[in-house]
Amino acid sequence: DTAVSQTPKYLVTQMGNDKSIKCEQNLGHDTMYWYKQDSKKFLKIMFSYNNKELIINETVPNRFSPKSPDKAHLNLHINSLELGDSAVYFCASSLTSGEETQYFGPGTRLLVL
Amino acid sequence: GDSVTQMEGPVTLSEEAFLTINCTYTATGYPSLFWYVQYPGEGLQLLLKATKADDKGSNKGFEATYRKETTSFHLEKGSVQVSDSAVYFCALSERGNQFYFGTGTSLTVIP
Repeated sequence: DTAVSQTPKYLVTQMGNDKSIKCEQNLGHDTMYWYKQDSKKFLKIMFSYNNKELIINETVPNRFSPKSPDKAHLNLHINSLELGDSAVYFCASSLTSGEETQYFGPGTRLLVL
Repeated sequence: GDSVTQMEGPVTLSEEAFLTINCTYTATGYPSLFWYVQYPGEGLQLLLKATKADDKGSNKGFEATYRKETTSFHLEKGSVQVSDSAVYFCALSERGNQFYFGTGTSLTVIP
């Protein structure tokens, strides 16, 4: 059973489009995260939700909007996609916020043309 | 604020060589420290962790010791294999705060 799953795995789209990436965890964790990894492998946190409440919102364009319908899901919607949004997006979860181990999904490779 | 600094890569080693990847941290309190590994095309996986000073984390032949006096958590392996080729991330977290990841160190092991 996959602990943290993301869909789609690959996403190729045109500039200006709107797209969503879905994330689900079956670990019973309270906290979920979205990270962006650029081509140099630099990993940057974007958002963190604890029990469906936003607790971390780093400096991210407001074209990015996370949505957590329940604590097992954290989806990422991106409006008006730009070339610079091309990256790998990772979802992660942890038992609680803070010093707990994070479990990562396999990533969604987004390419904006 | 909290931060993690790890050695720049890429690192290329021959099989069976000794590996050290340096990691130092800055924290206001008493963080937990982690090493994550990312194999090609995959997400990050926890490799090992240590939650207090002098703890040693170990897994798959890798080790790292939490050194409060030098604020370090260097990753070591005595004999690397081709299958260890990956990107390694040092990270820290303090209770109630977010994770801070280092910039990642790419390791390539050649036969």
